[in-house]
Amino acid sequence: EVQLVESGGGLVQPGTSLRLSCAASGFTFEDYAIHWVRQTPGKGLEWVSGISWNSKNIGYADSVRGRFTISRDNAKNSLFLQMNSLRPEDTALYYCARDGFNSGWPTDAFDIWGQGTMVTVSS
Amino acid sequence: QSALTQPPSASGSPGQSVTISCTGTSSDVGGYNYVSWYQQHPGKAPKLMIYEVSKRPSGVPDRFSGSKSDNTASLTVSGLQAEDEADYYCTSYAGSSTLFGGGTKLTVL
Repeated sequence: EVQLVESGGGLVQPGTSLRLSCAASGFTFEDYAIHWVRQTPGKGLEWVSGISWNSKNIGYADSVRGRFTISRDNAKNSLFLQMNSLRPEDTALYYCARDGFNSGWPTDAFDIWGQGTMVTVSS
Repeated sequence: QSALTQPPSASGSPGQSVTISCTGTSSDVGGYNYVSWYQQHPGKAPKLMIYEVSKRPSGVPDRFSGSKSDNTASLTVSGLQAEDEADYYCTSYAGSSTLFGGGTKLTVL
């Protein structure tokens, strides 16, 4: 079964760090660009970051650039999001999503999504 | 990086057709054919319904169709069914980023 499973979320204080992981299975991970998308409770979706199959193309939303770092380990079929200097407005459900139609840039469309991992930033 | 503009709500009776709009700019929707649409039921992950403006992934009913004119993309759901009631989001490539619309809650009356 083609699957993405996120982990690493939790409750943290403002200004601290957290590292999210996304484990892929059921497909050739290195053939696809993978992205992080977040959803604020009760609100809409926001693209956070994306990385091409070979890590040569990386993009960030303005809201997280300079604080978040995306990376991947194709040998371990894993995607990561290092989140530093967390703010209350970063509170959201974080999904990893596969670009099913392009291994790099431009971003096409997300055909596989995980179930998400919740990040809560609060004092 | 401004979000794409969608109407907050839309509705229709079973069997009717509904169209949801997604307005951007020439730097996103109007500049690329990388517009996609997602359906999200409560408590579930989004599901891809349309990609590259008008293409349907395998398994998506042909009741769902997409189009684009200038800076506005549209999703049309024909022959509305009760299970179509959900939130719908559009996205577009925007050069160095990807933008989402604010979402439209589709109600089947």
